[in-house]
Amino acid sequence: AQRVTQPEKLLSVFKGAPVELKCNYSYSGSPELFWYVQYSRQRLQLLLRHISRESIKGFTADLNKGETSFHLKKPFAQEEDSAMYYCALSEYGNKLVFGAGTILRVKS
Amino acid sequence: GAGVSQSPSNKVTEKGKDVELRCDPISGHTALYWYRQSLGQGLEFLIYFQGNSAPDKSGLPSDRFSAERTGGSVSTLTIQRTQQEDSAVYLCASSLPWLGEDGYTFGSGTRLTVV
Repeated sequence: AQRVTQPEKLLSVFKGAPVELKCNYSYSGSPELFWYVQYSRQRLQLLLRHISRESIKGFTADLNKGETSFHLKKPFAQEEDSAMYYCALSEYGNKLVFGAGTILRVKS
Repeated sequence: GAGVSQSPSNKVTEKGKDVELRCDPISGHTALYWYRQSLGQGLEFLIYFQGNSAPDKSGLPSDRFSAERTGGSVSTLTIQRTQQEDSAVYLCASSLPWLGEDGYTFGSGTRLTVV
């Protein structure tokens, strides 16, 4: 069975500090991983996916197959980064399995 | 439409009543998904429709839950004999047949409260 674990329910950092949102997965195949974000009063939306290798809004995520991790990082947090972040794993077809989510709170 | 539309946005119902939640996906998106979002539980997969294939119902929590998708477009999630533990935000998403650049497009959800 596939599983996505986000160990932190809440991560609170000061503006300008580095951010790392943790995601670990268990999957027997070749995983495809995503980060989704939900800002206050907005819809859940795709932030980035590992195969695109892009940096979106300053965030990056590297797939580490040895550690089965896909942590989301940003070197300098901004207040507008405050949101709920979900890590997700693609199963067969299009079905995504999501983690429990981490609330990121950036304090000024 | 331009996005995924869900209705109603809020629903308060009495325990034991049936409810229907509606999702109108993006035109051309053949895949449609229902998830349940609750505090501490994250996003729980419920059901997945892909074109004319049989739906993947593996996430439906009990036989009180059912969903259909008519004409490959609009979907309705029905919860019979609602219980207080059914209270959550029900999210619908749609996508192309494959997970392309944009992944899923989510609706704004239906907040269900069972009293």
